[in-house]
Amino acid sequence: KQEVTQIPAALSVPEGENLVLNCSFTDSAIYNLQWFRQDPGKGLTSLLLIQSSQREQTSGRLNASLDKSSGRSTLYIAASQPGDSATYLCAGRQGGSEKLVFGKGTKLTVNP
Amino acid sequence: GAGVSQSPSNKVTEKGKDVELRCDPISGHTALYWYRQSLGQGLEFLIYFQGNSAPDKSGLPSDRFSAERTGGSVSTLTIQRTQQEDSAVYLCASSLGTSGRARADTQYFGPGTRLTVL
Repeated sequence: KQEVTQIPAALSVPEGENLVLNCSFTDSAIYNLQWFRQDPGKGLTSLLLIQSSQREQTSGRLNASLDKSSGRSTLYIAASQPGDSATYLCAGRQGGSEKLVFGKGTKLTVNP
Repeated sequence: GAGVSQSPSNKVTEKGKDVELRCDPISGHTALYWYRQSLGQGLEFLIYFQGNSAPDKSGLPSDRFSAERTGGSVSTLTIQRTQQEDSAVYLCASSLGTSGRARADTQYFGPGTRLTVL
């Protein structure tokens, strides 16, 4: 059974800092991994999706990596801004299954 | 284009009553998912629909929960005889469908329905 863990649960950084959010999963037979952000009281916004055959994906200031052998994914945020403050969730999808298994998220606060 | 929409945005009900939650997926998306987000529990998968195939109901927590998808578009999640532990945010998502391509696999979420059972 796939389990997804995100550490730390919360992170506070000053504006402008580069940061890395961590996601680990127990089953390396992962089909893809998706990163989302969730603002308070809102739904999830998809940020990046990495297929199992890929090692990384980039969108603007965001870069997500996937290392299946170590069971880890990271989300790198460059030059953080107060608008980046949100909860970031990672979710893995197994081959042969359509459901996403979510971590509990990292709550990021970027201080001006 | 329009995103995934859900209604109502908030629902307060009394224990023992039935509730229906609605999801309108993105037009053209063949796959539809329901998830539940509870305090301290994170997001849990409930049910998945893909086209005309039989739904994957493996995440439904009890037989009080059911869902249907009419005409391959709108979906309704029904909870019968609600209990206080059913209180959560119910999220719906849709995707183009499974094809191994990132754009098709990406799930797009609605704003959710916050259910409170008194």
